[in-house]
Amino acid sequence: DQQVKQNSPSLSVQEGRISILNCDYTNSMFDYFLWYKKYPAEGPTFLISISSIKDKNEDGRFTVFLNKSAKHLSLHIVPSQPGDSAVYFCAASASFGNEKLTFGTGTRLTIIP
Amino acid sequence: DTAVSQTPKYLVTQMGNDKSIKCEQNLGHDTMYWYKQDSKKFLKIMFSYNNKELIINETVPNRFSPKSPDKAHLNLHINSLELGDSAVYFCASSQGSGRTADTQYFGPGTRLTVL
Repeated sequence: DQQVKQNSPSLSVQEGRISILNCDYTNSMFDYFLWYKKYPAEGPTFLISISSIKDKNEDGRFTVFLNKSAKHLSLHIVPSQPGDSAVYFCAASASFGNEKLTFGTGTRLTIIP
Repeated sequence: DTAVSQTPKYLVTQMGNDKSIKCEQNLGHDTMYWYKQDSKKFLKIMFSYNNKELIINETVPNRFSPKSPDKAHLNLHINSLELGDSAVYFCASSQGSGRTADTQYFGPGTRLTVL
């Protein structure tokens, strides 16, 4: 039972344009969400997070939007740069209990120069 | 100055062998984790330790035994390796107790291949 889903396995975007990566979740107990970026042969690198008390969090070129009613979050990267080419993982966690990150299967983003 | 380090980076071994993967973090974090990324690229938690105490133990075969000698180290020992154990194993750490949502920082991964 996959509680965090990234339905687009890959995405190609022109350099300078906006990249939008999407993530859906099913567990209503999730209240903390993160995006990780992963290059080949490296571990995931934390990018940005958002708590369920917010609907938007921005950090430089990266913005995460959370729509709790739709159980959907998205990561916007603008403008996209070649170095953004990587696999992006969405992850979710709940605040209570012995908590763990539940990951999506990732979206491979390719930025076309 | 690596924050979360793992050794070895690559491990190739025969079925039935016993092997260990080491993890160390120099972030001063209290909680450490082991994740497995399978052939479908799905990252799934296996264990977490907070200050040497086991917090999370997912449904993982008994052949996998984590060991935390201190809060900066969490090693993973695997007995009687099977073909299905082939995967990339990631260590991670976080500042919190492991009992609430927190940002985790990952090591570079250990690619285990069982022949």
